[in-house]
Amino acid sequence: KQEVTQIPAALSVPEGENLVLNCSFTDSAIYNLQWFRQDPGKGLTSLLLIQSSQREQTSGRLNASLDKSSGRSTLYIAASQPGDSATYLCAPTSGTYKYIFGTGTRLKVLA
Amino acid sequence: NAGVTQTPKFRILKIGQSMTLQCTQDMNHNYMYWYRQDPGMGLKLIYYSVGAGITDKGEVPNGYNVSRSTTEDFPLRLELAAPSQTSVYFCASRSTSGGNTDTQYFGPGTRLTVL
Repeated sequence: KQEVTQIPAALSVPEGENLVLNCSFTDSAIYNLQWFRQDPGKGLTSLLLIQSSQREQTSGRLNASLDKSSGRSTLYIAASQPGDSATYLCAPTSGTYKYIFGTGTRLKVLA
Repeated sequence: NAGVTQTPKFRILKIGQSMTLQCTQDMNHNYMYWYRQDPGMGLKLIYYSVGAGITDKGEVPNGYNVSRSTTEDFPLRLELAAPSQTSVYFCASRSTSGGNTDTQYFGPGTRLTVL
């Protein structure tokens, strides 16, 4: 059974810092891995999707890497801004249908 | 496109009552999902559907039922509400064709309290 752990659980940083959020999973036989952002009281917004054959994906100030063999993914946020404050969730896909979510990292960027 | 819509936004139920959470998507996606999110936790998959007429259980299906009679709609039914079903419920959909496959699109959620 796939288990997903995200570290740290919460993070508070001053504006401008570069950040690394970690995601580890126990079953390396994944189809892809997706990173989401969740604002308080809202649904989830997809940030980046990495296929199992890829090593990383980039979108603006965000970069996500995937190491399937070690069961790890990292989300790198460059030059953090207060608007980045949210909960970040990773979700590896086992098979083609099922997403298993981590418990998330709650990020607060202070102005 | 409205994307994924959910109704109601909030609901309070008494123990033993029944209700249906509605989910509709207008993107012609064939895959649809129901999740629940408890406070401070990640999302857990309740049920999913890979197309009209086809549904299957996720991690936490007990106490829930679903149906998928059309591509657009995927309602979630609670038959006998229990306090353990107090949660926020999210519906999502995913396309399996076109340039942006595998990305899930989420609705805004339904916050349910069972007292």
